[in-house]
Amino acid sequence: KQEVTQIPAALSVPEGENLVLNCSFTDSAIYNLQWFRQDPGKGLTSLLLIQSSQREQTSGRLNASLDKSSGRSTLYIAASQPGDSATYLCAVRASAGANNLFFGTGTRLTVIP
Amino acid sequence: DVKVTQSSRYLVKRTGEKVFLECVQDMDHENMFWYRQDPGLGLRLIYFSYDVKMKEKGDIPEGYSVSREKKERFSLILESASTNQTSMYLCASGRIYGYTFGSGTRLTVV
Repeated sequence: KQEVTQIPAALSVPEGENLVLNCSFTDSAIYNLQWFRQDPGKGLTSLLLIQSSQREQTSGRLNASLDKSSGRSTLYIAASQPGDSATYLCAVRASAGANNLFFGTGTRLTVIP
Repeated sequence: DVKVTQSSRYLVKRTGEKVFLECVQDMDHENMFWYRQDPGLGLRLIYFSYDVKMKEKGDIPEGYSVSREKKERFSLILESASTNQTSMYLCASGRIYGYTFGSGTRLTVV
């Protein structure tokens, strides 16, 4: 069964820093990988989705990369802001026909003003 | 903008009550999902549906059932609520190009 790990579980950085969040998965045969943001007590907001054939996706200050062969993805946040404080989760989909996502337990990010 | 709407943000129910959690999506997606989220355990899939009246068990279906009578609506049912079902419940819908989540229902069973 696919296992998804996110390390560290929590991260604090001063405002303005660039930072990288990590996601690793045990089975490299994935269809796509999705990064989500979750604010306390709220649902998940999709940030970026990378298909298995892609190496990276960018949206504003966010850049997600995928190295399928090594079972890793990173989410790069440039020039962090206090509003970026949230929990970030990654999730992988095994195949186009698969209906479930396998989630990591997330990294809780705090950006200190 | 696509939307997944969960009918309640917060619910408090008594042990033994029958509880309905409702989820509606406006994206014409075939697939809909119910997850629960608990600290340290992450998101766990309870049930999913890939079409009207079709359902599949997820990883933790015990104590739950679901109903999908219309494509846009997917209901999670706790037949007899217990305190260990206190959790955050998240509904999602999607296709192969990504899933959209609702804002969640925080259920407390007392």
